[in-house]
Amino acid sequence: EPEVTQTPSHQVTQMGQEVILRCVPISNHLYFYWYRQILGQKVEFLVSFYNNEISEKSEIFDDQFSVERPDGSNFTLKIRSTKLEDSAMYFCASSGWTISFSNQPQHFGDGTRLSIL
Amino acid sequence: TQLLEQSPQFLSIQEGENLTVYCNSSSVFSSLQWYRQEPGEGPVLLVTVVTGGEVKKLKRLTFQFGDARKDSSLHITAAQPGDTGLYLCAGDDFGNEKLTFGTGTRLTIIP
Repeated sequence: EPEVTQTPSHQVTQMGQEVILRCVPISNHLYFYWYRQILGQKVEFLVSFYNNEISEKSEIFDDQFSVERPDGSNFTLKIRSTKLEDSAMYFCASSGWTISFSNQPQHFGDGTRLSIL
Repeated sequence: TQLLEQSPQFLSIQEGENLTVYCNSSSVFSSLQWYRQEPGEGPVLLVTVVTGGEVKKLKRLTFQFGDARKDSSLHITAAQPGDTGLYLCAGDDFGNEKLTFGTGTRLTIIP
């Protein structure tokens, strides 16, 4: 069964450094997402991406964050000038074989654990 | 801001017992998805319910979407240790692409 893959599984970075988290969504999916889960808290939406542009973002997704689909398979989340509070699990998800995204389930990767020191 | 509250937050029962967990909101959702999450892994999709009143079965798991599409329940029959995990509900808002996740129910089945 196709799956979303994320790399690395664990990233340790010094505060103030930039990190890039990588995701390979399910082939032929059209919608891509990033979520984060701070330890002990709910999964929170960050951003959705469709047709090579951001379609929706949350208040968390400020200028520190950016997303990119540099080629036909990868989807990346860049966090500039990391802060201690950016430490969390970051999940990539994808959905939708059609242009109508409604009611199409999102499939998640296993996440990248980001630790900011 | 939409909120999904799950209850109970923690549930520990003996193998073979039945259980129901709930996912409630004051908001209407276009659809609702149930996921199960193991430690250190991402949420794994169990089911999507779309129509008010819809019931879906996945082996011993029965999922129901409320008539008003504001709530959902997950019923497990004859629970097994392999059912242990964190169960998450997530709502898909009309016209939005993001999922709003619930607070989760951590289920432990004691052999």
